Amino acid sequence: DTAVSQTPKYLVTQMGNDKSIKCEQNLGHDTMYWYKQDSKKFLKIMFSYNNKELIINETVPNRFSPKSPDKAHLNLHINSLELGDSAVYFCASSQNAQFGTGELFFGEGSRLTVL
Amino acid sequence: GENVEQHPSTLSVQEGDSAVIKCTYSDSASNYFPWYKQELGKGPQLIIDIRSNVGEKKDQRIAVTLNKTAKHFSLHITETQPEDSAVYFCAAAQTGANNLFFGTGTRLTVIP
Repeated sequence: DTAVSQTPKYLVTQMGNDKSIKCEQNLGHDTMYWYKQDSKKFLKIMFSYNNKELIINETVPNRFSPKSPDKAHLNLHINSLELGDSAVYFCASSQNAQFGTGELFFGEGSRLTVL
Repeated sequence: GENVEQHPSTLSVQEGDSAVIKCTYSDSASNYFPWYKQELGKGPQLIIDIRSNVGEKKDQRIAVTLNKTAKHFSLHITETQPEDSAVYFCAAAQTGANNLFFGTGTRLTVIP
């Protein structure tokens, strides 16, 4: 069983479209994250949810909207896609929101290509 | 906020040689330093971490050293093998904080 699973793995779409990426973790963790990895491999946190509550919201365009229906799921919806949104998006989870008390478990990534 | 710098960005070594990746951090309050390995097409995975109350930690062929005074820490891989080829990320955080700051990554290639 995959601990952190995200779908789709690949997503190719046109500028201006709206798309969603889904994430689920079966580790019983309280905290989930979305990270963006650009073409240079920079990993940058976008959002963090702890028990369905938003705790980190980095400087991300408001076209990006995370939704956590329960603590095992954190979905990412992107409106009006732009070329610069092309990247690999990683979902991750940790036991709690406090770093240093447990590791981050990452999904395998969703590669978004905006044409 | 914390700023983590990582060097080199790419590193090629012959199989069996050692590899060293170095990171510096800016926030003296940071006290938790994990290293993640990202294989091709996969998400990053924790391989080792160190806390500020120790200067060195070893796990088989992997070791991490920390110099709190100089605010730098390093990953050492000995007897490298082709399966060590990956992108490695250092990171820094304060224990109990809810953000982890990643370095810019090092692509390690082990040449058979």
